[in-house]
Amino acid sequence: AQRVTQPEKLLSVFKGAPVELKCNYSYSGSPELFWYVQYSRQRLQLLLRHISRESIKGFTADLNKGETSFHLKKPFAQEEDSAMYYCALSTSGTYKYIFGTGTRLKVLA
Amino acid sequence: EAGVVQSPRYKIIEKKQPVAFWCNPISGHNTLYWYLQNLGQGPELLIRYENEEAVDDSQLPKDRFSAERLKGVDSTLKIQPAELGDSAVYLCASSLGGRGYNEQFFGPGTRLTVL
Repeated sequence: AQRVTQPEKLLSVFKGAPVELKCNYSYSGSPELFWYVQYSRQRLQLLLRHISRESIKGFTADLNKGETSFHLKKPFAQEEDSAMYYCALSTSGTYKYIFGTGTRLKVLA
Repeated sequence: EAGVVQSPRYKIIEKKQPVAFWCNPISGHNTLYWYLQNLGQGPELLIRYENEEAVDDSQLPKDRFSAERLKGVDSTLKIQPAELGDSAVYLCASSLGGRGYNEQFFGPGTRLTVL
């Protein structure tokens, strides 16, 4: 069965420190992978997707098919990065969306 | 533009009562999703529509949940009768096309409390 695992429920880092939010997936096909973010009192919104190979707000994520991972990274965390982050997978063909349980990032001053 | 609109934002009902949630997607988005989000969990897909057709309802508990998307625009999700375990946030999302790489735009959600 398809699954997305985010092992950390909470990640606290100091401002200016590097950040890595982990995401591992289980899927035998060719996945589409995403990171969604929810800031306080805001809607869930797309942060980035692996197909675009883009950097958004300084965040990047690389799909590692060998390790079945799609970790989200930022070299220098900012206080405004504090939010809930969800990794999501879309299956090929059926386009079924599966979300992880989320990681709350707290950036401390 | 308002984005995806959901109503009501909050609903408190007693168990065994019916409840309905409404969603208006972004104009032109033919794909609509209903998700259930329990506390501390990620969204879980309940049903996905392509226009007015439900193309994936495998996770919808059909004994008590029903959904419709008449005319391929607005959608309604209903629970009848509600149970205590149905307390959660119900999210609606829409996208331009159902391809897996399409961005989903989420509504603010409806927080349901069943007493």
